[in-house]
Amino acid sequence: RKEVEQDPGPFNVPEGATVAFNCTYSNSASQSFFWYRQDCRKEPKLLMSVYSSGNEDGRFTAQLNRASQYISLLIRDSKLSDSATYLCVVNVYSGGGADGLTFGKGTHLIIQP
Amino acid sequence: EPEVTQTPSHQVTQMGQEVILRCVPISNHLYFYWYRQILGQKVEFLVSFYNNEISEKSEIFDDQFSVERPDGSNFTLKIRSTKLEDSAMYFCASSKGPGEKLFFGSGTQLSVL
Repeated sequence: RKEVEQDPGPFNVPEGATVAFNCTYSNSASQSFFWYRQDCRKEPKLLMSVYSSGNEDGRFTAQLNRASQYISLLIRDSKLSDSATYLCVVNVYSGGGADGLTFGKGTHLIIQP
Repeated sequence: EPEVTQTPSHQVTQMGQEVILRCVPISNHLYFYWYRQILGQKVEFLVSFYNNEISEKSEIFDDQFSVERPDGSNFTLKIRSTKLEDSAMYFCASSKGPGEKLFFGSGTQLSVL
């Protein structure tokens, strides 16, 4: 099971600023990509899937670069409620059934008032 | 909105005892998973389950661990003889299909004394 690498942070960012996280994955056969958000001592919650064409959901934009094996997340106009750990998640689907996701260690974001 | 439910939310046990962690996946999901997260560390894949059998398991999922779907709704993780290092948050998850987004339960915090 290959790895997913993230800068652990913390990123301390003033409210209203734009912040970007990056993630690299080592398994070139990876096929599905996600950003999850995890609050302290809570379960991971899906923030957004990541597609090759890039996708946007409100203030959040995700990009995938398969050639560089690199995923990014951009948060615009950051809110205090965005403070959390952001998990980069990758799936390698072998076609044999249910394959587990591989999680990065997460990037800790702190939005400061 | 349908959700994955886990019981108990907290479990304290003595080293060497057996524990069973319970999960009810989302009803129309076919793929089930167990993950664990040791405090301060990343979310780690344990096992995936599809069509009433284990689909994939990690090196963590040794002979002390087993999973079962005893009826049409429950999905359980059994640890036969707990060790101190089994102390962690255990998350159950489910998905509609392989490679699709996972929905997590709120977790069971297992403390082995």
